[in-house]
Amino acid sequence: QQQVKQSPQSLIVQKGGISIINCAYENTAFDYFPWYQQFPGKGPALLIAIRPDVSEKKEGRFTISFNKSAKQFSLHIMDSQPGDSATYFCAARDSNYQLIWGAGTKLIIKP
Amino acid sequence: NAGVTQTPKFRVLKTGQSMTLLCAQDMNHEYMYWYRQDPGMGLRLIHYSVGEGTTAKGEVPDGYNVSRLKKQNFLLGLESAAPSQTSVYFCASSYMGVSYEQYFGPGTRLTVT
Repeated sequence: QQQVKQSPQSLIVQKGGISIINCAYENTAFDYFPWYQQFPGKGPALLIAIRPDVSEKKEGRFTISFNKSAKQFSLHIMDSQPGDSATYFCAARDSNYQLIWGAGTKLIIKP
Repeated sequence: NAGVTQTPKFRVLKTGQSMTLLCAQDMNHEYMYWYRQDPGMGLRLIHYSVGEGTTAKGEVPDGYNVSRLKKQNFLLGLESAAPSQTSVYFCASSYMGVSYEQYFGPGTRLTVT
C-alpha cells in the first residue's frame, strides 16, 4: 500500500512530440504528489507538484493530470526537447509526512 | 549560495570499514534528509532530521547512523560497511516538510567491495 508504481521504465520520444509518464498508487492517505527531474550526475530537482483537490496543473510545457478516483497521476511534456532528456521520478507524501518515490523513467528525446 | 553540498563525491570501502558522509546546506533549512538511490528502485529514505539536534528513521535505516549537531550539517555514518550498501547517496534539505521543495546535493557514489 506504500508503493508508487511508475511506468514506463524508459521512453523514447521524437523532438516536438508529447512525453507521457504515469504513476499509480493504492494508499488514499497520500496527499501531495511532486515530480522530480534528474540529469546524469546530478541530484533530483523539483519540476512540478499537485495536491489531490486539483485535477490538473500546468507550468509551461509540463502538465500534471491527477485522477483521484483512479488513484493515478501523470506527467505530460508538450513539445518535448532534447534538453528534457533526463530521468523523471514521481512521488507521493504519506501519512508519516515522508515521500514515497516511484522507480523512475528514463526519457530520451531524439532530435 | 552553494545550496546543498556533499563530501566526498566518490568512495571505495572494503567490507567492514567505516566512513562518514557529510552534507552541508546554506539555505537555513530546518529539514534534512539522507536517501540512497539504487537502479530501478527510485530513492529510499534512510534517515531524516526535522531540526538541529533531532534525527529520525526513514524507510531503510539499518546499518546507518546520523547526527545533526549543527543546523547546517547532517552526517551519515556507516559503522561496518557491507556490499549491500553500495549505492549513490543523496542528501537533501527543505524549508519545512516534504511538501516544500527538497533541494538535493550532487550525490556520493559509494562502492563497498
